[in-house]
Amino acid sequence: RKEVEQDPGPFNVPEGATVAFNCTYSNSASQSFFWYRQDCRKEPKLLMSVYSSGNEDGRFTAQLNRASQYISLLIRDSKLSDSATYLCVVTGSGSARQLTFGSGTQLTVLP
Amino acid sequence: EAGVTQFPSHSVIEKGQTVTLRCDPISGHDNLYWYRRVMGKEIKFLLHFVKESKQDESGMPNNRFLAERTGGTYSTLKVQPAELEDSGVYFCASSQDWGQIYEQYFGPGTRLTVT
Repeated sequence: RKEVEQDPGPFNVPEGATVAFNCTYSNSASQSFFWYRQDCRKEPKLLMSVYSSGNEDGRFTAQLNRASQYISLLIRDSKLSDSATYLCVVTGSGSARQLTFGSGTQLTVLP
Repeated sequence: EAGVTQFPSHSVIEKGQTVTLRCDPISGHDNLYWYRRVMGKEIKFLLHFVKESKQDESGMPNNRFLAERTGGTYSTLKVQPAELEDSGVYFCASSQDWGQIYEQYFGPGTRLTVT
């Protein structure tokens, strides 16, 4: 079983749609959680950290459920520029800082 | 503020040769990380420096890989001798800790091809 599991997609949605990505992780001691986006042949860019209480940044909302070891990302009013691969990322336990990446979910927003 | 920079952007070498990758972290970031992505796989952790010290090198695949961070500034990752399976994209990231949050920012990567 992979440490971080994501639906690979692809998700093809029209502009303006709402799209949700889900992710599960296996290490119950993981401390920190993130969503990164990666454009084709580019580096991962931090989209947002995910806090236990859930957090929102403009059109993006992230949720964390520690009991279920589940993370989600909701994108509202999707734009063409949101087309990318979305990576669910968690850290290890304790003082471990290494990031463990999911394989990513590909999103294409269509005009 | 300048981001993480990496050099070279691409490198093509023959099996058995040596390659050295360089990473310059964001100024003031004590933490520096190396990751790599091989074809069709997830990005995987290689190692973590805090200043000039190796904090965690559990992801280094074997002793053909040597990472250094002299003076706690830039870092180099040397692969010697390179093998075909070393091909991939090598990313460097840096972070500065703020309490329990340590967001890592990635450089553009070095695409290594071993032929």
